[in-house]
Amino acid sequence: KNEVEQSPQNLTAQEGEFITINCSYSVGISALHWLQQHPGGGIVSLFMLSSGKKKHGRLIATINIQEKHSSLHITASHPRDSAVYICAVRSVEETSGSRLTFGEGTQLTVNP
Amino acid sequence: SQTIHQWPATLVQPVGSPLSLECTVEGTSNPNLYWYRQAAGRGLQLLFYSVGIGQISSEVPQNLSASRPQDRQFILSSKKLLLSDSGFYLCAWSIRLETGEQYFGPGTRLTVT
Repeated sequence: KNEVEQSPQNLTAQEGEFITINCSYSVGISALHWLQQHPGGGIVSLFMLSSGKKKHGRLIATINIQEKHSSLHITASHPRDSAVYICAVRSVEETSGSRLTFGEGTQLTVNP
Repeated sequence: SQTIHQWPATLVQPVGSPLSLECTVEGTSNPNLYWYRQAAGRGLQLLFYSVGIGQISSEVPQNLSASRPQDRQFILSSKKLLLSDSGFYLCAWSIRLETGEQYFGPGTRLTVT
């Protein structure tokens, strides 16, 4: 069993739909990251969370530390949101190097 | 502002040939540096990380090695490539001593034939 699991693996939506991607992890963490990988391969960081909720534009990320679960929501989805969304965690045991453990990603396709 | 460069962007190499991928970071000092591989349809796998010049930690025993000859330069190498080395290689950096985010380079797509 992977330390970080994402669901669904693949998600297809129509433009304008509300989207939720889930991430569950099995270790104690100091931070959780949501990343976006564009079709060309480039990766950008969307959020870093240690508690609560963060919002940036149409993107919302939440985390429940007790349940070891995080969700990424996209409101009013658009075809340009099509990408792979990756969840990654930093273990509390990580004392140097800021190593992250990654989920396998969720491929999102938003159709016009 | 900080910038991370990787080259080459794409590479096709025959089995048994050597490999050298280079990553450089601009605009920051003493970064943590990372090499990741992403196989087709798979998640990111940490290969090496470095907290300083000459300090390399290997996460996965394999056919690859890494070196950090300068503070902001990270090199991934192999003496003899295997077919299984094909994938998308990403370099990343983070600010040392912080739990902050990592910043990724554009990646190198390696195909071993």
